[in-house]
Amino acid sequence: EDKVVQSPLSLVVHEGDTVTLNCSYEVTNFRSLLWYKQEKKAPTFLFMLTSSGIEKKSGRLSSILDKKELFSILNITATQTGDSAVYLCAVILISGGGADGLTFGKGTHLIIQP
Amino acid sequence: KAGVTQTPRYLIKTRGQQVTLSCSPISGHRSVSWYQQTPGQGLQFLFEYFSETQRNKGNFPGRFSGRQFSNSRSEMNVSTLELGDSALYLCASSPVDRVRGAEAFFGQGTRLTVV
Repeated sequence: EDKVVQSPLSLVVHEGDTVTLNCSYEVTNFRSLLWYKQEKKAPTFLFMLTSSGIEKKSGRLSSILDKKELFSILNITATQTGDSAVYLCAVILISGGGADGLTFGKGTHLIIQP
Repeated sequence: KAGVTQTPRYLIKTRGQQVTLSCSPISGHRSVSWYQQTPGQGLQFLFEYFSETQRNKGNFPGRFSGRQFSNSRSEMNVSTLELGDSALYLCASSPVDRVRGAEAFFGQGTRLTVV
């Protein structure tokens, strides 16, 4: 069975700290890995990673994928209270029909204290 | 560009009833996927539609069904509601080019409460 595991499940840090969120996966027919931020309802897209070793960066957020070790990390530097959210990792699989349902991890609940 | 629109935003139903949820994807997106989110199970894939055809289905009972119309709008239906169906139901749309496994854009969800 395909599996996506995120750690830690929850994390509380102070504003200004740097955090690293982890996502490991055991899936067949891997295509891509995505990171989402969910604050209230709609998850919002952060990154899509397909190739190993290429860092994606957006402001204070960055992410990288290791396809050999089957994991990805999401880094947030100089955290702000607005970074408080659930961060979701999802994997897209290649299927014969081309259909790509996302397999999600349980998420990391990040709380940034002022 | 308008985002993914889901209606209604909130719904309260009693056990045994059925419910229909609606999703309008981003203009030009032909793929619509549905997900159920609960505190215990997280986000779980229900099914995906592309050009009015169901292309993939998650591990949910037959009480969960859906369809897609020619304008790419989609509906999902849950029959014979159970208490455990209480959840946030999220719809996501993706661009036409599915070969690259493009990112999915989510709507705000429908919060269903079964009492």
